[in-house]
Amino acid sequence: QKEVEQNSGPLSVPEGAIASLNCTYSDRVSQSFFWYRQYSGKSPELIMSIYSNGDKEDGRFTAQLNKASQYVSLLIRDSQPSDSATYLCAVSRYNQGGKLIFGQGTELSVKP
Amino acid sequence: GAVVSQHPSRVICKSGTSVKIECRSLDFQATTMFWYRQFPKQSLMLMATSNEGSKATYEQGVEKDKFLINHASLTLSTLTVTSAHPEDSSFYICSARRSQETQYFGPGTRLLVL
Repeated sequence: QKEVEQNSGPLSVPEGAIASLNCTYSDRVSQSFFWYRQYSGKSPELIMSIYSNGDKEDGRFTAQLNKASQYVSLLIRDSQPSDSATYLCAVSRYNQGGKLIFGQGTELSVKP
Repeated sequence: GAVVSQHPSRVICKSGTSVKIECRSLDFQATTMFWYRQFPKQSLMLMATSNEGSKATYEQGVEKDKFLINHASLTLSTLTVTSAHPEDSSFYICSARRSQETQYFGPGTRLLVL
């Protein structure tokens, strides 16, 4: 079992819809969770970080964390074609010096 | 967000030569920087963790004598790919840790070894 798992996609949604990206992790001691967006040929860009159970909202983005289920998700409201990218889920454990473990990424395509 | 730069953005070299890539945190001090490699259609693979003033910690399977890392100051880490070969062609990305956990990525360096 991979430490961090994501559906590779591609996930296709129409413009204006809600895109839902999911991520599960295997290690219960994981403490910090991140969503990065990566456009083709570019490096990852931090979108959201979340550390405690519940929802965290930032503009059109909402991260949801459920530690009991070892599940973290990212919702993108009012999806735009410019949101088309690969979304990387990453987790870290406090005792590993901030090292991030990445999922394989989910490719999102928002159709006009 | 924090700003991290990398130089060069793209490099083409002949097989057997060495290539140095610089990673700088421009608006914050980073005690820890990380070096990743990414092949097409794959996720990021952590190569090593670089701590200012100490030796880098390499991930399993990464040759420390081939990928030399130096973290001489709180704003600069360098990765040198020694005796590069075509299989070393990849997208090399650094990140710098600003707060306790958050990492910010540089724009990456695309290396092509002929």
